[in-house]
Amino acid sequence: DVKVTQSSRYLVKRTGEKVFLECVQDMDHENMFWYRQDPGLGLRLIYFSYDVKMKEKGDIPEGYSVSREKKERFSLILESASTNQTSMYLCASSFKVRGSGRGNTEAFFGQGTRLTVV
Amino acid sequence: GENVEQHPSTLSVQEGDSAVIKCTYSDSASNYFPWYKQELGKRPQLIIDIRSNVGEKKDQRIAVTLNKTAKHFSLHITETQPEDSAVYFCAASMNNQGGKLIFGQGTELSVKP
Repeated sequence: DVKVTQSSRYLVKRTGEKVFLECVQDMDHENMFWYRQDPGLGLRLIYFSYDVKMKEKGDIPEGYSVSREKKERFSLILESASTNQTSMYLCASSFKVRGSGRGNTEAFFGQGTRLTVV
Repeated sequence: GENVEQHPSTLSVQEGDSAVIKCTYSDSASNYFPWYKQELGKRPQLIIDIRSNVGEKKDQRIAVTLNKTAKHFSLHITETQPEDSAVYFCAASMNNQGGKLIFGQGTELSVKP
């Protein structure tokens, strides 16, 4: 059974703080993703990574950075938290289809981190 | 980049009725279209997916159809039950993009007993 685990379920931080959201998966997936979920806006991709130390910007990368030092771990960093970053953050992972380049497969999600910036 | 539009944003049906959720995508290179269900307070989970070489796929009470020419795909739920109440997300993906999924805005389905 695939397990994607996010380090915190709820987090409250102050404006200007540096915030780290951690995600770990145990299925040896190559691909990992960070999304934020806001009502009416769906799931918006912040950053993703298809290999260790590789990262690519998604649709809304501003104000965020990521780190992928190990295959199983993908961290999202809010350099200086702002109130408009209050949101639900979802991590996901998927495996790379062998023999077809960077293919597309089912993504498995973590339980989410509800971040409130005050 | 790819853009996915999903309608309606909310849908209310009586138990036993059918529900249809529609999505359109912008990039004709997209070739993988999954649907996720997110129950209240839980993580999104895949319920069905379709690839571009197939026009329709069915799994018990749920089915997905794909029209590549028009660039739209739909989720059909028949004989709805209260436990179908959730938020449903469509997504689109293409090869050589690190597996990234671009999601629609979501549809909140409410099935009334």
